[in-house]
Amino acid sequence: GNSVTQMEGPVTLSEEAFLTINCTYTATGYPSLFWYVQYPGEGLQLLLKATKADDKGSNKGFEATYRKETTSFHLEKGSVQVSDSAVYFCALKSRSEKLVFGKGTKLTVNP
Amino acid sequence: SAVISQKPSRDICQRGTSLTIQCQVDSQVTMMFWYRQQPGQSLTLIATANQGSEATYESGFVIDKFPISRPNLTFSTLTVSNMSPEDSSIYLCSGLAGDVLADTQYFGPGTRLTVL
Repeated sequence: GNSVTQMEGPVTLSEEAFLTINCTYTATGYPSLFWYVQYPGEGLQLLLKATKADDKGSNKGFEATYRKETTSFHLEKGSVQVSDSAVYFCALKSRSEKLVFGKGTKLTVNP
Repeated sequence: SAVISQKPSRDICQRGTSLTIQCQVDSQVTMMFWYRQQPGQSLTLIATANQGSEATYESGFVIDKFPISRPNLTFSTLTVSNMSPEDSSIYLCSGLAGDVLADTQYFGPGTRLTVL
């Protein structure tokens, strides 16, 4: 079945550091890929998505590229801020299948 | 996109009681879901809420413990019955707009439940 593996956390960075959170997947067919973010005390928000190979999703300075050859969808940001502290979930959905989440990566950004 | 609201946002309940969580979507969605997020964990799908019929439950979840209603396209409730401390979690409602092949799910802010 479909599955998502994301980098274990927690991740602690200083403000303005470069962020990468790794995500790889296993799926049949051509799934859509997502990053969701959960800020402290809140629900999940869709951060970005990509629906086909080589697509790049981007939002709020975050980017992720759908790499079919490496089955990856790594999340990157060039310069993180304290306000980016949150838990980040990688997820995938194949057509008519259920949304599958990774375990989540907690990011803490220190001033 | 869909905007999803939930009530209550949090509650503290006594063992053995029940709590009903409401979920309202601002636009029609084809599918609605209920998830549980235990402390420090990822999301686990409880069930798919079906309009006008019984919900479809995932393995490990049963209707007697988590009865779900969906009387129309934009509203659903989840009841956590006969609660125990192990039910302390965040419960999230989610909606999928479009047909069954659509891909993007949106989530509510969650209901934080503590059972004493």
